[in-house]
Amino acid sequence: QLQLQESGPGLVKPSETLSLTCTVSGGTISSSSYYWGWIRQPPGKGLAWIGSIYYGGSTYHNPSLKSRVTVSIDRSNNQFSLKLSSVTAADTAVYYCARRMGSSWDYWGQGTLVTVSS
Amino acid sequence: QSALTQPRSVSGSPGQSVTISCTGTSSDVGGYNYVSWYQQHPGKAPKLMIYDVGERPSGVPDRFSASKSGNTASLSISGLQAEDEADYYCCSYAGTYTYVFGTGTKVTVL
Repeated sequence: QLQLQESGPGLVKPSETLSLTCTVSGGTISSSSYYWGWIRQPPGKGLAWIGSIYYGGSTYHNPSLKSRVTVSIDRSNNQFSLKLSSVTAADTAVYYCARRMGSSWDYWGQGTLVTVSS
Repeated sequence: QSALTQPRSVSGSPGQSVTISCTGTSSDVGGYNYVSWYQQHPGKAPKLMIYDVGERPSGVPDRFSASKSGNTASLSISGLQAEDEADYYCCSYAGTYTYVFGTGTKVTVL
C-alpha cells in the first residue's frame, strides 16, 4: 500500500523559507505514470494546489505562488520536497503531499501543520 | 486562478439525496473533462471520491455520482448516511499542468 509522509519544521519565522519533505513508501517515485504534488489548507479554509513535479524533474506551480515556490525530487531516497520563500502569516496551513494519477490526487499524506510566527 | 465556487453548506436527512455544485469557467471546469471530488472528515486528509467528472475509484459507494454541464460540475449523494457528513471539495484541471480547487461544501446529515 502506497504511503506518503510529510516532514519538516512546524514553526517558521516570517520572511524565512518553509521547507518540507514528502517520503514515499510502498511504491517508487520514479514511475512515469504519476506526478507528485503539494496542496495546502489554511486553518478553517479550503484546499489550494501549490505545485507538482514529475519524476523527470519537470515542475509546475500555482501562478499566484510561482515566484516563491520550488518543488524538487530526490529519486534515490524516494522523496520530493517543497520550499516556499518569504513566508508570511498567510502561509500558515496544513501542508499535504499527494500523488496525482491522471487528473486526480489519489493518495495523500496525513498533512503537517506549519505555523508562520516570530 | 480563482477558486471554483461551491455552496458553503448543504444538508439532508438520512436516506435523502443532496447535490453539490462546483462552478468554474471555460478555462477550467468547462474546458476539460478533468473534474475530481474529495471528501474530507475533520482532522483527516482528503479522500478521492470521483475522478474524470464521473468515474468512481474502487471502494467508493455507488451512492456517490457526479456529472458536468458547461462550466458547472455536480456531485450527488443518494441514500445519505451519517458517515457522509464531511466537507467536500471539487478540483479541476486548469491548463498547463495547473489545478484549482473549489471553496468547499459542508454536508450535514440532519
